[in-house]
Amino acid sequence: SAVISQKPSRDICQRGTSLTIQCQVDSQVTMMFWYRQQPGQSLTLIATANQGSEATYESGFVIDKFPISRPNLTFSTLTVSNMSPEDSSIYLCSVEGQGRGTGELFFGEGSRLTVL
Amino acid sequence: GENVEQHPSTLSVQEGDSAVIKCTYSDSASNYFPWYKQELGKRPQLIIDIRSNVGEKKDQRIAVTLNKTAKHFSLHITETQPEDSAVYFCAASRNTGFQKLVFGTGTRLLVSP
Repeated sequence: SAVISQKPSRDICQRGTSLTIQCQVDSQVTMMFWYRQQPGQSLTLIATANQGSEATYESGFVIDKFPISRPNLTFSTLTVSNMSPEDSSIYLCSVEGQGRGTGELFFGEGSRLTVL
Repeated sequence: GENVEQHPSTLSVQEGDSAVIKCTYSDSASNYFPWYKQELGKRPQLIIDIRSNVGEKKDQRIAVTLNKTAKHFSLHITETQPEDSAVYFCAASRNTGFQKLVFGTGTRLLVSP
C-alpha cells in the first residue's frame, strides 16, 4: 500500500488568487497523478507528474492554470492559479501501488477548495 | 479517448438484497477495469478489479463480470449491508505501463436497514 498525505485538507479562497496543494508519499514512486472531483461528480485526471520532467496534462487542462512540481520521488505540488468559483472542487493526489503487480491506485484524502 | 458510462446514478436497496452496477467503455484496447468505493467525505478505495483475460472475479460478497465483446462490465454486491452505502466508481485503463484511469460517473448506493 501507499500512505499519501495532502495539505491543505480544505481551504476557502478568493477569486483571482492561487493556491498550492502539497502531496507527500511514504515511499518513492515513479509517477504521481492529480485528479479533480467536482461536487457530486466523478474523478477527472488533470495531469501525470514524473520526477525530473514536465508534467503531462490531459485534454482541457493547461500548465498555466495548473502548474505542477515534482522535485523528488516522494513529493509533488499542484497549484490552482487565478481561481474562479468554477475551480471549487476536491483535488486528489494519487500513486500506483508498488510491488503488488495489480496497478491499484491509492489516493490522498483530497484537498477541498471553495472559491468565493 | 476512452469514455466510460455508468448506470444507474443512484440505487436504493433493502439490507440483504443484491445490487448491480453496470458500466460500458468505448476503447477496445482497455484491459484493466477496477471498481472504487468512496464513502462520504473519504478518499476512493479499490474494492475489486478485473483484467481482460478473465470474465469474472469474486471476493466474498462482491464480484465483477466482464464482457469484452460487448465492452461492458458489472459490479455485483450480494447480501448488502448498511456499510455498503457509498458512491461506487468504475474505471477503465489500457494499463500500458501506468494507470491512466478513466472513471465512470459514479453510482450512489443506499442500503436501508
